[in-house]
Amino acid sequence: GAGVSQSPSNKVTEKGKDVELRCDPISGHTALYWYRQSLGQGLEFLIYFQGNSAPDKSGLPSDRFSAERTGGSVSTLTIQRTQQEDSAVYLCASSSAAGPSPLHFGNGTRLTVT
Amino acid sequence: GNSVTQMEGPVTLSEEAFLTINCTYTATGYPSLFWYVQYPGEGLQLLLKATKADDKGSNKGFEATYRKETTSFHLEKGSVQVSDSAVYFCALSPSTGGGNKLTFGTGTQLKVEL
Repeated sequence: GAGVSQSPSNKVTEKGKDVELRCDPISGHTALYWYRQSLGQGLEFLIYFQGNSAPDKSGLPSDRFSAERTGGSVSTLTIQRTQQEDSAVYLCASSSAAGPSPLHFGNGTRLTVT
Repeated sequence: GNSVTQMEGPVTLSEEAFLTINCTYTATGYPSLFWYVQYPGEGLQLLLKATKADDKGSNKGFEATYRKETTSFHLEKGSVQVSDSAVYFCALSPSTGGGNKLTFGTGTQLKVEL
């Protein structure tokens, strides 16, 4: 596709359930990033992939959060035992190199935990 | 650690008014600096960037100059339009390591009225 694609666009889940969020980066982009945007706050870095490896996982809030990337392409962010404070917009971005090249963002997945 | 501080919004202006959105940063070395924009209902997109001191980034009539001495990257536009209404994010990318991991400010909402 032409841009970064994220699915689902909206997800409502009950507290305690697990959720999976998917990101399809721009074809050929080696770097992939997950961010979280909470109401009234800026974008919070979660994790960064270069290829299939994650050199920086420092932003994952707890061990309930994990992410993987396969084939140097699609990435999945998994949140286990969701809590209400996990409600946010989860943004994925990709870039063509690990250096200071622009990030291309998807439209995000709005997660609501009830 | 790295941080970005930008003026709080919302900023409300009349069409054709002059715009300044302040942004200052804290970082070691010489980071790259960015402004991203999020139009209503859309994903974040790069507006402009500057990769070294005294560089001026410009796009769509917006400008920002990388000021090392004041650690600032203020966004300016001489004459705003209604279509500029959006949320603007200042961000930095570290000079070494960290891939292209961006640290974002909290965003400034701009509303332009006729």
